[in-house]
Amino acid sequence: ETGVTQTPRHLVMGMTNKKSLKCEQHLGHNAMYWYKQSAKKPLELMFVYNFKEQTENNSVPSRFSPECPNSSHLFLHLHTLQPEDSALYLCASSQEAGETQYFGPGTRLLVL
Amino acid sequence: AQSVTQLDSQVPVFEEAPVELRCNYSSSVSVYLFWYVQYPNQGLQLLLKYLSGSTLVKGINGFEAEFNKSQTSFHLRKPSVHISDTAEYFCAVTRWKLVFGTGTRLLVSP
Repeated sequence: ETGVTQTPRHLVMGMTNKKSLKCEQHLGHNAMYWYKQSAKKPLELMFVYNFKEQTENNSVPSRFSPECPNSSHLFLHLHTLQPEDSALYLCASSQEAGETQYFGPGTRLLVL
Repeated sequence: AQSVTQLDSQVPVFEEAPVELRCNYSSSVSVYLFWYVQYPNQGLQLLLKYLSGSTLVKGINGFEAEFNKSQTSFHLRKPSVHISDTAEYFCAVTRWKLVFGTGTRLLVSP
C-alpha cells in the first residue's frame, strides 16, 4: 500500500466501549497528526508527533489517548466517549513537523 | 496567530463554467499556503501549495491559485469545471501549525 492508510474506515461504539483507531504511513515521514472533522466546523488539530515524540496536545480530553510506537504508525485509543465525539478522524503525515501534510481517508466514528 | 477565511460556504456552478473559490488569510509572519480537496467519504487530498517563488501555482486536476501578498489572498480557480469536481475545498495556512478554513462546497451541475 502507498500513502497514508487508516483502519477501520467506519466504527460504531457505545459510550462504555474501548476501541482504537490505527494510522499507517508508507511515505517515510517523521511527523504524524490526528485531526477531528465535525460537521460545520473547521478541522481541529488534536495531536502532533515528531520523531515519535508528542509535540502538541491541543487541549484534547483524556478520553482520547494517542500512541506512536514508531514513525510509521499512530494510534488513537478511545474510551468512555461521548456522543459529541462522533466525527471523522483524520490522520496525516509530513516529512517533518510543519511541512506539507498528506492525509489518510479517515475513520468515521459514531458514538451511541 | 494565523487564521483563514473562506468567504463562500457553497458555490454552485454549471459544468464547463469557470469557478473561483476565495480564500483570505491573516498572519503576522510569512506563511505557506495550501488548497486541499475532500471528495465525499474520503480524506483530504493536496491540490496545490505555495511555498515561495512564482505567485501563480498550478495544481492537479486543472486547478491553479494565485498568491497575493498585498491582499492576503490565495484564491483557487479553474477555467472549466467538471461534474467530478463536486467536492469540499479547504484552504489552509501554516508557519508551524496547519490552520484550515471552514471549507467551500463546490456543486457542479449539468
